[in-house]
Amino acid sequence: AQSVTQLDSQVPVFEEAPVELRCNYSSSVSVYLFWYVQYPNQGLQLLLKYLSGSTLVESINGFEAEFKKSETSFHLTKPSAHMSDAAEYFCVVSQIFLSGNTPLVFGKGTRLSVIA
Amino acid sequence: GAGVSQSPSNKVTEKGKDVELRCDPISGHTALYWYRQRLGQGLEFLIYFQGNSAPDKSGLPSDRFSAERTGESVSTLTIQRTQQEDSAVYLCASSLGASGGWEQFFGPGTRLTVL
Repeated sequence: AQSVTQLDSQVPVFEEAPVELRCNYSSSVSVYLFWYVQYPNQGLQLLLKYLSGSTLVESINGFEAEFKKSETSFHLTKPSAHMSDAAEYFCVVSQIFLSGNTPLVFGKGTRLSVIA
Repeated sequence: GAGVSQSPSNKVTEKGKDVELRCDPISGHTALYWYRQRLGQGLEFLIYFQGNSAPDKSGLPSDRFSAERTGESVSTLTIQRTQQEDSAVYLCASSLGASGGWEQFFGPGTRLTVL
């Protein structure tokens, strides 16, 4: 079984300050890793994913995450926060199945607030 | 194109009543998932469908919960004799499934409140 730990339930940052949302996972098998984001009053959206290959993955809005197998971590970072980044962020893991059908295991979420 | 839709968006019910929650996946998506998000917690997996069959029901919390899917399309999640601990946001997601798509697209959810 897999599990995900998001170490901070809330992270406040000043606008233009760097952001780091921490995530650790545990699994006895190889996994896919994701970050999902939920903006206020909106549904969950995929932000970025690690499936294989390069361990550093990026999103279109400047976030990136690095898969560190030795540390079982997948922390989400951004060099400069914007007000529009305020949202709840979920770190997610799923076991790799050839069928591609994999229930997602979610962390409890980190609420990012951006202070002007 | 249309995304995943769910209805109702909000449901308030009395303890002991049955409720049905509906999910319309993205057209052509063969895999469908139900999750639950209770206040202050992450999402819990409930059940998934490949086509109309449910190979994994391990997440259903009790025998009061059941789900079905017809026509490889619409799915309904039924909760019988609701309890206050069933209050949560119920999320549905769909993906292309075995035909080559792992990414799950989520609906807006149904907020269930059991009084």
